[in-house]
Amino acid sequence: NAGVTQTPKFRVLKTGQSMTLLCAQDMNHEYMYWYRQDPGMGLRLIHYSVGEGTTAKGEVPDGYNVSRLKKQNFLLGLESAAPSQTSVYFCASSLAGLQETQYFGPGTRLLVL
Amino acid sequence: AQRVTQPEKLLSVFKGAPVELKCNYSYSGSPELFWYVQYSRQRLQLLLRHISRESIKGFTADLNKGETSFHLKKPFAQEEDSAMYYCALLHGSSNTGKLIFGQGTTLQVKP
Repeated sequence: NAGVTQTPKFRVLKTGQSMTLLCAQDMNHEYMYWYRQDPGMGLRLIHYSVGEGTTAKGEVPDGYNVSRLKKQNFLLGLESAAPSQTSVYFCASSLAGLQETQYFGPGTRLLVL
Repeated sequence: AQRVTQPEKLLSVFKGAPVELKCNYSYSGSPELFWYVQYSRQRLQLLLRHISRESIKGFTADLNKGETSFHLKKPFAQEEDSAMYYCALLHGSSNTGKLIFGQGTTLQVKP
């Protein structure tokens, strides 16, 4: 039982490049989340999903897109990376809503030059 | 607007001293609050939630609606408590809402 995994662990992009971050969970959780963590800002929710095939915007969705084609995977895409997207990205999942504990992945460090 | 404020970026105490990590919130409804912790090189994990009224690793947190606070306390700090602590507020329902996190407080426990 790996829990929540994220791929890649670290990536460097040039401004304008695109990439996809993959989050996978093997706990059969319905809810999945993408956060970004920036110094002095805490964690901010980018997008989330309450089930397979559904997505919703969080606090800071601009510049990101997501997809939840399979229940166990939640993809975060950057179509045209900007230096302001340099951050640590965390994925999380929970069984059925926020009354349940959120389980976090190890994080992906992204540097946009 | 819904907001969580952790006024201290860094809290440094000596081992054995009491600890209080402050958290204030702004929310129009009935709040559900959580504390998450991130130890060095580990994942962010839930420490406790106010509805459970539990004590985890010696930490407790009481919801004070009058002062809109949910401070995290421990009577005697240990070195292994050194970590980043986040206070979080559930905005919306537990099924369709989302967590709003504070800025985080780094707790440093010195020997």
